[in-house]
Amino acid sequence: GAGVSQTPSNKVTEKGKYVELRCDPISGHTALYWYRQSLGQGPEFLIYFQGTGAADDSGLPNDRFFAVRPEGSVSTLKIQRTERGDSAVYLCASSRPRDTQYFGPGTRLTVL
Amino acid sequence: EDQVTQSPEALRLQEGESSSLNCSYTVSGLRGLFWYRQDPGKGPEFLFTLYSAGEEKEKERLKATLTKKESFLHITAPKPEDSATYLCAVQAGRGNKLVFGAGTILRVKS
Repeated sequence: GAGVSQTPSNKVTEKGKYVELRCDPISGHTALYWYRQSLGQGPEFLIYFQGTGAADDSGLPNDRFFAVRPEGSVSTLKIQRTERGDSAVYLCASSRPRDTQYFGPGTRLTVL
Repeated sequence: EDQVTQSPEALRLQEGESSSLNCSYTVSGLRGLFWYRQDPGKGPEFLFTLYSAGEEKEKERLKATLTKKESFLHITAPKPEDSATYLCAVQAGRGNKLVFGAGTILRVKS
């Protein structure tokens, strides 16, 4: 079956701009996660949704980062006033409740 | 705070030369330890989940083991296609997030 998909695969933006990153989870997976991976590091947790609500947003670095999942399926990660330090690969994962997390290919964000 | 440390950072092997990767962890209430493989430019690909000390799982040339302080990923007679970054992660307490180590970059030369 289809895996987790993320769009765009690459995003280049300028410092101060707003960006949206999209994640389509595996069909039937009610849990959705966002992680951020910097070069040479493992993924770092950002936020976890169970259904439509954010069950754990403790990893969001500051209030410039926001994520939504209005219908309990597709999720959008939104970053306001981007900074060069936001450059990273943003990974999305989905799972059945308390089950294995399956990752998408990621969106590489570059802030110039 | 939950911590995961992987060693070595990088490992070069000749084809057929068996070895092990280490993942040591400090967590409160381990619920699961996960191994993923990541190829350049791709997302992590799930390999194994281990839940309790003494548990072992195998898949082709890979075998994962777990103790109360660490996990090993044993690679038997590796092939060049096993070259990748291997990530270890833990899930602990009541949360669902994964806490990852920095990974081990494995290169297998023919």
